[in-house]
Amino acid sequence: KNQVEQSPQSLIILEGKNCTLQCNYTVSPFSNLRWYKQDTGRGPVSLTIMTFSENTKSNGRYTATLDADTKQSSLHITASQLSDSASYICVVTPPWDSGGSNYKLTFGKGTLLTVNP
Amino acid sequence: EADIYQTPRYLVIGTGKKITLECSQTMGHDKMYWYQQDPGMELHLIHYSYGVNSTEKGDLSSESTVSRIRTEHFPLTLESARPSHTSQYLCASSEYSGTPNTEAFFGQGTRLTVV
Repeated sequence: KNQVEQSPQSLIILEGKNCTLQCNYTVSPFSNLRWYKQDTGRGPVSLTIMTFSENTKSNGRYTATLDADTKQSSLHITASQLSDSASYICVVTPPWDSGGSNYKLTFGKGTLLTVNP
Repeated sequence: EADIYQTPRYLVIGTGKKITLECSQTMGHDKMYWYQQDPGMELHLIHYSYGVNSTEKGDLSSESTVSRIRTEHFPLTLESARPSHTSQYLCASSEYSGTPNTEAFFGQGTRLTVV
């Protein structure tokens, strides 16, 4: 079973509308939770990084929230644009090893967002 | 824009051929990674390196091999390609900052098709 579950699998919205993507994780403890945007055929690009002590982080029209008690995170996109069409991936980093030898990211499958005009 | 480059972007090759996917970064990062991603699926770590002459296998078993002779270069090789190797391969790098929040930068990926 994947330790990072995202919902919905896909979402279609109209340009200008808001939307919220969900991420539930079982990786515990963890160092941080990241949201990435991956355009089709491209590599992921980081949107936000939150440590377990943070509960919200914004990057322009993107706002991520984190509830470490319920192990849930969400990514809210405001006033969507056509260029927001992409896959949004939730990623959890396991505990940091002081020796620097443990840096493995656990990826969700992503939510495929389509923004239509 | 991250300075990490993968070549080729697309590759179609016959079964049994030897191939090398190239990955280079100009950021001086010590850590580099290779991920495999099938359509609609999550990324899986197949190899990582913490520096020159350091390579480790990732969580997903892979028949590929890697080398790290130079800091900036982390090529992945398949000695004998098979249709089951058809996938997207993503390279990433990060610096060692001593904190868990270090950003990981990804290349654009190589989409490999073995026929």
